[in-house]
Amino acid sequence: AQSVTQLGSHVSVSEGALVLLRCNYSSSVPPYLFWYVQYPNQGLQLLLKYTSAATLVKGINGFEAEFKKSETSFHLTKPSAHMSDAAEYFCAVSDLGSGNTGKLIFGQGTTLQVKP
Amino acid sequence: NAGVTQTPKFQVLKTGQSMTLQCAQDMNHNSMYWYRQDPGMGLRLIYYSASEGTTDKGEVPNGYNVSRLNKREFSLRLESAAPSQTSVYFCASSEGHGVLETQYFGPGTRLLVL
Repeated sequence: AQSVTQLGSHVSVSEGALVLLRCNYSSSVPPYLFWYVQYPNQGLQLLLKYTSAATLVKGINGFEAEFKKSETSFHLTKPSAHMSDAAEYFCAVSDLGSGNTGKLIFGQGTTLQVKP
Repeated sequence: NAGVTQTPKFQVLKTGQSMTLQCAQDMNHNSMYWYRQDPGMGLRLIYYSASEGTTDKGEVPNGYNVSRLNKREFSLRLESAAPSQTSVYFCASSEGHGVLETQYFGPGTRLLVL
């Protein structure tokens, strides 16, 4: 069965600093991985997704993530944090064990705080 | 386009009361989902509907029922609310039900069960 683990429930960076949010997955088959962002009092929106076409995936708002099979990781990065990046970020994996249903398994979430 | 809309935004129930959470999408999507979000647990799938006329259980279906009323609407019903159902509920939709589909989320319903 697939699962994801997000290391660190809370990450704090200064404005302009590198953002690194960690996600590790567990899967017996090649996974399909997603990063979603949730701004305060809003629903989730897709940042990026890994579809096996390329290991480095670029998303919206300057975020990118690199799929590393050897490390079973899909960490999210952004070179320079902006105040507007403050939000909760979720890593997710498609539940391939349930067939082609589009079910997602989410990690616990990481809250990103950006300090001025 | 409004995207995915949910009503109500906030609700307080007493234990044992029933209520229905409404969800509608205007993107002509085939698949719809209901999740609950609890602190430190991410989102967990309650029920989903891969296409109009079908519904299936997710990870945490106990205590809930769903109805896919038509292609646009997917409701979630709590027949007898319990404090353990205090949560934030999100509805989502996707064009198809494949493993690479992007899900689009509504703004959520905050439910407090006393």
